[in-house]
Amino acid sequence: RKEVEQDPGPFNVPEGATVAFNCTYSNSASQSFFWYRQDCRKEPKLLMSVYSSGNEDGRFTAQLNRASQYISLLIRDSKLSDSATYLCVVNRGLDTDKLIFGTGTRLQVFP
Amino acid sequence: SQTIHQWPATLVQPVGSPLSLECTVEGTSNPNLYWYRQAAGRGLQLLFYSVGIGQISSEVPQNLSASRPQDRQFILSSKKLLLSDSGFYLCAWSRGGQVLESEAFFGQGTRLTVV
Repeated sequence: RKEVEQDPGPFNVPEGATVAFNCTYSNSASQSFFWYRQDCRKEPKLLMSVYSSGNEDGRFTAQLNRASQYISLLIRDSKLSDSATYLCVVNRGLDTDKLIFGTGTRLQVFP
Repeated sequence: SQTIHQWPATLVQPVGSPLSLECTVEGTSNPNLYWYRQAAGRGLQLLFYSVGIGQISSEVPQNLSASRPQDRQFILSSKKLLLSDSGFYLCAWSRGGQVLESEAFFGQGTRLTVV
């Protein structure tokens, strides 16, 4: 089983749509969770951290479910500029900062 | 503010040639340092991880090696490149000593093509 698993997509959605991505992780000792965004041929950039209580940043909402070991990202009112690959990131375990990336979910927003 | 520099941006090397990619971080001390590789159309694979000078953790067996001669310098090397070494190499840093919320910040990457 992969340490971090994501649906590769692509998710093709119209502008204004709401889209959700899920990500599962295998190590129950993981403590840090993030969503990164990667544009084509660019480096990944932090989109948001994921907190236990869930958190929101504008149109983006992240949730963590420790019991089921998954995290989610919800994007509301999709914009053309949201088109990118979204990477789920988890630290490997309790005492390590090793960050393991999922393969990413590709989002394409069309007019 | 912290910055990370990675060079070169692109590199074309023949099979069997050596490799040296360098990464430096400014504006922080004792960072955790990472080398990742992203093959075309695939996810990021953690190659090496370092928590301090001379401390390198290798994630996968391969013909690459890493060194950390100074606190904020991380070098990726190979003695003889293989075709399969082609990919997008990314250096990253995170704040050392803090496990929680230690997000990684990436350099702009090196696109390596082995021919």
